[in-house]
Amino acid sequence: GAVVSQHPSWVICKSGTSVKIECRSLDFQATTMFWYRQFPKQSLMLMATSNEGSKATYEQGVEKDKFLINHASLTLSTLTVTSAHPEDSSFYICSAGRWETQYFGPGTRLLVL
Amino acid sequence: SQQGEEDPQALSIQEGENATMNCSYKTSINNLQWYRQNSGRGLVHLILIRSNEREKHSGRLRVTLDTSKKSSSLLITASRAADTASYFCATGRQGGSEKLVFGKGMKLTVNP
Repeated sequence: GAVVSQHPSWVICKSGTSVKIECRSLDFQATTMFWYRQFPKQSLMLMATSNEGSKATYEQGVEKDKFLINHASLTLSTLTVTSAHPEDSSFYICSAGRWETQYFGPGTRLLVL
Repeated sequence: SQQGEEDPQALSIQEGENATMNCSYKTSINNLQWYRQNSGRGLVHLILIRSNEREKHSGRLRVTLDTSKKSSSLLITASRAADTASYFCATGRQGGSEKLVFGKGMKLTVNP
């Protein structure tokens, strides 16, 4: 149990386009989901906490207009990188909270050309 | 901000040996968790220890917690090549479905 999927697994896009990443908890309901960004050989950087039915809570320094988060149901949260630029290229990982534990998706590798 | 600091940052051992990783943190916590990440993948939850616990076991994993020293250790016994991965400690301050603060991670390489 406690499986989280993430789609797409990788995406290449042109600078200026928007990219949507989906995070789904497949076998449990998650009122809280989390979005992280990870640079090569570094730790996870929490971007925002996504709460079902309410606005996401963004970490300091993360642009909420740049990284749009929607948590419309108990099993789905989406992250949209708007007007992506090469510096947004990274590995994006979501997780779904179940009590104290977080269950992670496999990640989405974004490359912006 | 990152709270956990894993030590060492990289460890290379032979299959069958034990691997010990340490994690230090700065503030009071409700729980401490260890996660594993294979290269280019998401994280997998390994084990959770609460602030009122001192030791916990799960299969070949043994985790200890010393709240007076604000430190934890993860021991992997009889390591296997498949244990090669990055390991992260993460702390939760309140319990429940809250954000976790992850350490920088430690790269473990188990040579066959």
